[in-house]
Amino acid sequence: DAKTTQPTSMDCAEGRAANLPCNHSTISGNEYVYWYRQIHSQGPQYIIHGLKNNETNEMASLIITEDRKSSTLILPHATLRDTAVYYCIVRVAGNNNNDMRFGAGTRLTVKP
Amino acid sequence: EPEVTQTPSHQVTQMGQEVILRCVPISNHLYFYWYRQILGQKVEFLVSFYNNEISEKSEIFDDQFSVERPDGSNFTLKIRSTKLEDSAMYFCATLESQLHEQFFGPGTRLTVL
Repeated sequence: DAKTTQPTSMDCAEGRAANLPCNHSTISGNEYVYWYRQIHSQGPQYIIHGLKNNETNEMASLIITEDRKSSTLILPHATLRDTAVYYCIVRVAGNNNNDMRFGAGTRLTVKP
Repeated sequence: EPEVTQTPSHQVTQMGQEVILRCVPISNHLYFYWYRQILGQKVEFLVSFYNNEISEKSEIFDDQFSVERPDGSNFTLKIRSTKLEDSAMYFCATLESQLHEQFFGPGTRLTVL
């Protein structure tokens, strides 16, 4: 599996968009980009995933560069409850043995 | 919305004792996982389970650990003889198919004294 690189921490003002970058320069053609977050010591929460097209759901948008070597998770209107550690994970979908391999993630702090 | 549940939420045990952590997966999910997170550290993969057998395990998952799905619903993680360093949050995750996302439970905090 490809490894990812994320900033250790980021701050964002409440109500503003939070843009969390992730580098995955060695990603393979069949690997998806997944984003999870962990609020305090709760179980990781799925946010969004994509292969090469940009994706949007009720929580966030995922922008993947054309060369797929990096991506950005966008929380359009961050709230205080979005304060969490955000994990970018690349993973092959369709492989029976694949689990999520978590890195250190980005600690996002949303400030009033 | 369906969710993964785990019991107990907190387990305190003495070193050398056996513990069993339980997970109830989402009903139509076929793939099951255990992860652990030592306080202040990253989430680590332990084991994956599919079709009533282990699919993959990490180097952490040694002979002291075992998993099973005894009654077709609960998915359990057993630690035979706990050590101090087993103190951690243990998360269960389940998956409908490999094209979907994993759903994580709230975790069990294991404290070994």
